[in-house]
Amino acid sequence: ILNVEQSPQSLHVQEGDSTNFTCSFPSSNFYALHWYRWETAKSPEALFVMTLNGDEKKKGRISATLNTKEGYSYLYIKGSQPEDSATYLCASTASQGGSEKLVFGKGTKLTVNP
Amino acid sequence: KAGVTQTPRYLIKTRGQQVTLSCSPISGHRSVSWYQQTPGQGLQFLFEYFSETQRNKGNFPGRFSGRQFSNSRSEMNVSTLELGDSALYLCASSLGPGFSYEQYFGPGTRLTVT
Repeated sequence: ILNVEQSPQSLHVQEGDSTNFTCSFPSSNFYALHWYRWETAKSPEALFVMTLNGDEKKKGRISATLNTKEGYSYLYIKGSQPEDSATYLCASTASQGGSEKLVFGKGTKLTVNP
Repeated sequence: KAGVTQTPRYLIKTRGQQVTLSCSPISGHRSVSWYQQTPGQGLQFLFEYFSETQRNKGNFPGRFSGRQFSNSRSEMNVSTLELGDSALYLCASSLGPGFSYEQYFGPGTRLTVT
């Protein structure tokens, strides 16, 4: 069974703070790690897809790193804003019985207070 | 470009009935994946279709099935509904098969089984 773990489960920060979350995944049979932002009453929005060990990706104030050998990824938000409040999901690929799937963690719920 | 659309947005069914949900992907996207979101289990992968063929499948019973048409639109069917099937069903489209590409999610269909 493939478990994707995210920590912390929730986080409250002040506007302007920088923050980071962790995603842990089994490194065997891995080929891609996804990050999504899911705001209440909206659809999950893709942030990054990373495949190579050492990958670093950036989109505005948000960046992510990937370590496939030890099975973890970090998501960083610099200078958090209230509009960053959302649940951040990571998902890892897995192979099982000849089929591939995308396994999601339970997410980190971020609340940014003005 | 229009996003992923799903119909209907809300549905109430009775235990034992069957239901069909529809998903229209972003134009040019040939891969459609389906997910179930429940408070307890989080977001779980159901199956993926690419070029009218089921490529990958998650760990759901045979009551959950799907298909994809030549225009890449996809339908998901759940037969003999159970109370536990109450969930938000999301579909996502992507450029290519598998999970090396970002998933673009639709707004979801909220299914309630009574």
